Amino acid sequence: GENVEQHPSTLSVQEGDSAVIKCTYSDSASNYFPWYKQELGKGPQLIIDIRSNVGEKKDQRIAVTLNKTAKHFSLHITETQPEDSAVYFCAASTNQAGTALIFGKGTTLSVSS
Amino acid sequence: KAGVTQTPRYLIKTRGQQVTLSCSPISGHRSVSWYQQTPGQGLQFLFEYFSETQRNKGNFPGRFSGRQFSNSRSEMNVSTLELGDSALYLCASRQGSGANVLTFGAGSRLTVL
Repeated sequence: GENVEQHPSTLSVQEGDSAVIKCTYSDSASNYFPWYKQELGKGPQLIIDIRSNVGEKKDQRIAVTLNKTAKHFSLHITETQPEDSAVYFCAASTNQAGTALIFGKGTTLSVSS
Repeated sequence: KAGVTQTPRYLIKTRGQQVTLSCSPISGHRSVSWYQQTPGQGLQFLFEYFSETQRNKGNFPGRFSGRQFSNSRSEMNVSTLELGDSALYLCASRQGSGANVLTFGAGSRLTVL
């Protein structure tokens, strides 16, 4: 079955710097790749997603890139702010409906001011 | 629009007991998924229900079961609780019909003593 590896497990940056989180997946049939942000005491919240027919997607300070050949995808956050501090999860799904997500183990991002 | 509501938020059980957790999806959402979150294993998919039918199932023992009612509300049950079942159980809903943005609730924190 699908396996998603996520790196790094922790990331500390200064406010205003960029942060990059990388994930690799094993199943070439995976076609939907969402990123979730989880704050303390809350459930994960979708921040951006990408499908396998797209190489890059941006939404303000957040961007995701996908390399299907290498089977890896990355989250890029520019101009980080203290409120970006949270745990970020990548995930992959092999069905078009994006269900039965396989998650990476998460990255704890700390942004210091 | 109200979000995904999970009850109870916290509960403590002892080994061998059973537990039922409840999830009310966003109004109009017909699909409900359940995930288990632990520090060691991360977020793991349990099952998904759509229109009262189980659509997908993760790799969990038969002690974990669920159901969905005609109003899309869902319950999951864990029987013969083990210490390792201590976790945050997250429910997520989506519209179904191809829409794949999962919206998570805040979770039910289960502690097994």
